[in-house]
Amino acid sequence: AQKVTQAQTEISVVEKEDVTLDCVYETRDTTYYLFWYKQPPSGELVFLIRRNSFDEQNEISGRYSWNFQKSTSSFNFTITASQVVDSAVYFCALSEDRGGADGLTFGKGTHLIIQP
Amino acid sequence: DTAVSQTPKYLVTQMGNDKSIKCEQNLGHDTMYWYKQDSKKFLKIMFSYNNKELIINETVPNRFSPKSPDKAHLNLHINSLELGDSAVYFCASSPGVAGGGDEQFFGPGTRLTVL
Repeated sequence: AQKVTQAQTEISVVEKEDVTLDCVYETRDTTYYLFWYKQPPSGELVFLIRRNSFDEQNEISGRYSWNFQKSTSSFNFTITASQVVDSAVYFCALSEDRGGADGLTFGKGTHLIIQP
Repeated sequence: DTAVSQTPKYLVTQMGNDKSIKCEQNLGHDTMYWYKQDSKKFLKIMFSYNNKELIINETVPNRFSPKSPDKAHLNLHINSLELGDSAVYFCASSPGVAGGGDEQFFGPGTRLTVL
C-alpha cells in the first residue's frame, strides 16, 4: 500500500528565510503521481503542483520550487524568501494509477509558521 | 462561479442523529470524492465515485453512505452520528480521464460537530 511521510510536524522561520518541506513516499507502482497542497488558516485546500513518476525534472514557480528524486523516493518543496502569507499547513500527497478514480493518500502535513 | 461547493459549511448536531452533506461540482468532471480531515489535520479518502459507480470504499463505517443522483453531485449521508465523526469533510472532483493522477479540486469543507 502507498504511504506518504512528512516528518516535519511544524517549522517556524523568520520572514525572508528559505525553508524546505520534506516529503518521502512509498509505492509499489511504477506509475504514480505526487502532489503538494496548501491549507491556509482559512481552511481551503489549494493545489500547488502535480508531478508524474516519469518526470524527474525539478520545477520552479516564482518563489516555490520542487525537487523530485526517485532514488530517495522524495518530493521536497522549497520556499525561497518566505513571506508571512506562506504560513499554512502543507500537504504532500500520492496517487497511484487506477484508471481515473484514485483518491489521494496524504501525508500528515507540515505546519509552516513564518514570523515577521 | 464556485467550482466545487458544499452545503452546509458548518453542521452542529446531537449524537445519534442522521445528517447529510451536499456537494456539487460545475466542472463537468467524471469523478468525485469525499475526504475526512480529523482534529489533527490528517486527511483521508473515504469514497470516490466515477460515472455514478463507487470505485473506492475505504474502511469507513457503513453508517456513512455516499449517494450520487447525477454526475455533478455526490452527497454524504451519515446515520447514527457519533462523537468521533466530528471532523471537517471535504468534497473533491477530478476529470477522471483514463490513467488517473488528475489534479483534484476541493470544496471549501464542511465542519461537522457532534455533541
